[in-house]
Amino acid sequence: DAGITQSPRHKVTETGTPVTLRCHQTENHRYMYWYRQDPGHGLRLIHYSYGVKDTDKGEVSDGYSVSRSKTEDFLLTLESATSSQTSVYFCAISESIASSGNTIYFGEGSWLTVV
Amino acid sequence: AQSVTQLDSHVSVSEGTPVLLRCNYSSSYSPSLFWYVQHPNKGLQLLLKYTSAATLVKGINGFEAEFKKSETSFHLTKPSAHMSDAAEYFCVVVGGYQKVTFGTGTKLQVIP
Repeated sequence: DAGITQSPRHKVTETGTPVTLRCHQTENHRYMYWYRQDPGHGLRLIHYSYGVKDTDKGEVSDGYSVSRSKTEDFLLTLESATSSQTSVYFCAISESIASSGNTIYFGEGSWLTVV
Repeated sequence: AQSVTQLDSHVSVSEGTPVLLRCNYSSSYSPSLFWYVQHPNKGLQLLLKYTSAATLVKGINGFEAEFKKSETSFHLTKPSAHMSDAAEYFCVVVGGYQKVTFGTGTKLQVIP
């Protein structure tokens, strides 16, 4: 299994509070991704990173920000959580760009509930 | 536009019988195709991938998939289902410009 650790694994938070999810990898892979998984939608890309301090938006980036100050860490921040952000969040990594056919490896997920 | 359609949201099979999970895709590029499996409360695990080599791809746990360009399909099969195969399966297309598209998933139920 790829060395990906997500924290926290489970969190309940109140509407309007900030939340940060952390993804830590031990594989030294260049690319890191944050996805959210919701019933009927599969996985949707929130943001991804192609290097330290290099990030870009995915298809559902509104309300989220990311930071990558080190190769091994990729943080996802909900500045002001809303109930629509209740979801399961997956971090993923790949050695090279996913479009080259490189495998994407996933973390175990972080369950976030916004009440 | 790039898209993935998993034709069945739920599939139910008896233990020991064949499994067929269907996936059709659309891509403007020569895509890479993947199947992932997700067990309850777990992350996604790679089953197999196609990257323009052999069109019949063998994966872990006895699964295989065949890339059919003319039919734009990448169906997942297994000759004999096991109880441990009960999970959700995702077909994934990777095309140009780092675009990764997930299908909405197929839940496989295996009946003893």
